[in-house]
Amino acid sequence: DTAVSQTPKYLVTQMGNDKSIKCEQNLGHDTMYWYKQDSKKFLKIMFSYNNKELIINETVPNRFSPKSPDKAHLNLHINSLELGDSAVYFCASSQEEAYGYTFGSGTRLTVV
Amino acid sequence: AQSVTQPDIHITVSEGASLELRCNYSYGATPYLFWYVQSPGQGLQLLLKYFSGDTLVQGIKGFEAEFKRSQSSFNLRKPSVHWSDAAEYFCAVGYNNNDMRFGAGTRLTVKP
Repeated sequence: DTAVSQTPKYLVTQMGNDKSIKCEQNLGHDTMYWYKQDSKKFLKIMFSYNNKELIINETVPNRFSPKSPDKAHLNLHINSLELGDSAVYFCASSQEEAYGYTFGSGTRLTVV
Repeated sequence: AQSVTQPDIHITVSEGASLELRCNYSYGATPYLFWYVQSPGQGLQLLLKYFSGDTLVQGIKGFEAEFKRSQSSFNLRKPSVHWSDAAEYFCAVGYNNNDMRFGAGTRLTVKP
């Protein structure tokens, strides 16, 4: 009964590969997000989706593509992985921003 | 553009001592304000939030924060720190645009 679940928790892959991270929320929230946390713990928003529609697309390489098959799921696909993509990726969801976001436990991506 | 500053990268306090973590935001309007805590290897957990009303808000785990409009601040406090409070703390701001921005975080170490 986890509220926001991400899979996998750890992902180790070689440069140049394509990988996906999945996120699901069972809270009935309308908006979902992807954040990237770098090695210095800095959190940067990448994308936000409201009811399956992209509403924020920060300056991220177009190798990153979010996909939302329904409002409970927001997956992140990454093409041609680079060393600099190594980070922890967090999925989150919210119903109204004033009440805060609920975060998943993160996916630690290591590109070797 | 909205931004949030946490001036202290790392704070060390003794167990049982009081704690104050600083947070300042920059933008004209009053934002939604949040404090999150991240334990090692975990996602972010919402401690408390402010969006209107009483400027002193109570959160979970004995934390409180005070919104001061004149200082553009939202400092987090706890009267007596426990060893289990050692974690990374993030202040965040939002403007009802599904684009919550986070500070760089403050790492709290608790001495026995």
